[in-house]
Amino acid sequence: DGGITQSPKYLFRKEGQNVTLSCEQNLNHDAMYWYRQDPGQGLRLIYYSQIVNDFQKGDIAEGYSVSREKKESFPLTVTSAQKNPTAFYLCASSMPPIKEAFFGQGTRLTVV
Amino acid sequence: RKEVEQDPGPFNVPEGATVAFNCTYSNSASQSFFWYRQDCRKEPKLLMSVYSSGNEDGRFTAQLNRASQYISLLIRDSKLSDSATYLCVVPGGSGNTGKLIFGQGTTLQVKP
Repeated sequence: DGGITQSPKYLFRKEGQNVTLSCEQNLNHDAMYWYRQDPGQGLRLIYYSQIVNDFQKGDIAEGYSVSREKKESFPLTVTSAQKNPTAFYLCASSMPPIKEAFFGQGTRLTVV
Repeated sequence: RKEVEQDPGPFNVPEGATVAFNCTYSNSASQSFFWYRQDCRKEPKLLMSVYSSGNEDGRFTAQLNRASQYISLLIRDSKLSDSATYLCVVPGGSGNTGKLIFGQGTTLQVKP
């Protein structure tokens, strides 16, 4: 089946550690996105990529890094510089510039 | 002015009621718009796309007012299962950069 797969579904991180969230899609979409959602809040854009080997910062990129070496993959690293990383992270893909986006099931990251 | 703005609600309505949500956007160059539904602790799922003046799908109608830069979502004959958060999405944001901008969402609670 075509879709977007995020892993892991739940992730626990110790303070000071870097962690990487996986996002893979087989929809042949050019654009991929990472969003963060805090309880009771909307989605905030972290990074997005419209093409392989290119990506742009979103509204809250500080403390995060990404790579886009393959069309299918857009991993997100939450670094120790991110002071409050506990949140629900959502990955999406679309065919820009005007097509709808499809989401993975999300990763819940908790700092312990 | 925020790029995409929604009334967060919550909207509490009885079963069978008609309810409407509005979403305002700042980028007058935006060509397409989307409504997503998000259930608690789940990923957003596409509800409707709006490319011209509006779209209708069963009990759901989306309308676009380009002059006033808002889109609306009308739900007729509300069901208990319609209880969710409804997210307005405008591709491109300011300057039509290709990124997807989400409103903060409007919460709907349908009561028996």
